[in-house]
Amino acid sequence: DIQMTQSPSSLSASVGDRVTITCRASQSISTYLNWYQQKPGKAPKLLISPASSLQSGVPSRFSGSGSGTDFTLTISSLQPEDFATYYCQQSYSTSWTFGQGTKVEIK
Amino acid sequence: QVQLQQWGAGLLKPSETLSLTCAVYGGSFSGYHWSWIRQPPGKGLEWIGDISHTGNTYYNPSLKSRVTISVVTSQNQFSLKLSSVTAADTAVYYCARGRKDCSSGCLAFDSWGQGTLVTVSS
Repeated sequence: DIQMTQSPSSLSASVGDRVTITCRASQSISTYLNWYQQKPGKAPKLLISPASSLQSGVPSRFSGSGSGTDFTLTISSLQPEDFATYYCQQSYSTSWTFGQGTKVEIK
Repeated sequence: QVQLQQWGAGLLKPSETLSLTCAVYGGSFSGYHWSWIRQPPGKGLEWIGDISHTGNTYYNPSLKSRVTISVVTSQNQFSLKLSSVTAADTAVYYCARGRKDCSSGCLAFDSWGQGTLVTVSS
């Protein structure tokens, strides 16, 4: 299986901050990388797939980049509704695997 | 807009079989992979497996010996069975639609059910 490692595991930030989350794959996955947002008690929501393609309806303050083994999710100006846990997922090969998550908390 | 609604037993004893069903409303059933994903309390997401609308199945190797995913295309429903459950299988179980944007790989989970908490306890 391809292992996905996110960093940091959690971070504290203020409204308006620029936030960057990193995801690293254990082998090259080209750009086959998806990002999800999950709020407490809710199902995850697909934000970006693949790597840098924003899903319809997702605010433009979210962006993704990377290829090969290293990827980033950036929130350009953190909004109150962005406090959540973010997961990356490789879509290069079955079995699909997720990172362990990054929790974005209010500072 | 597609909606996924899931149901099934929420409390099981060790060694019993977990059984969940997910119905798909408002969208096409064909052309997608229909998936099950779980999340232990306070932990991350684990893909369990998925099934194409044609019935091809793909399972997480760590669960493969205990998992069966099936589909009833005429009813736009798919189901999960996980046998011989233990406390380690306690989790919120989600059904999800897997969208493939290319011929190999590229699976993204773009619609999700509401989740079902399944607790395994004696």
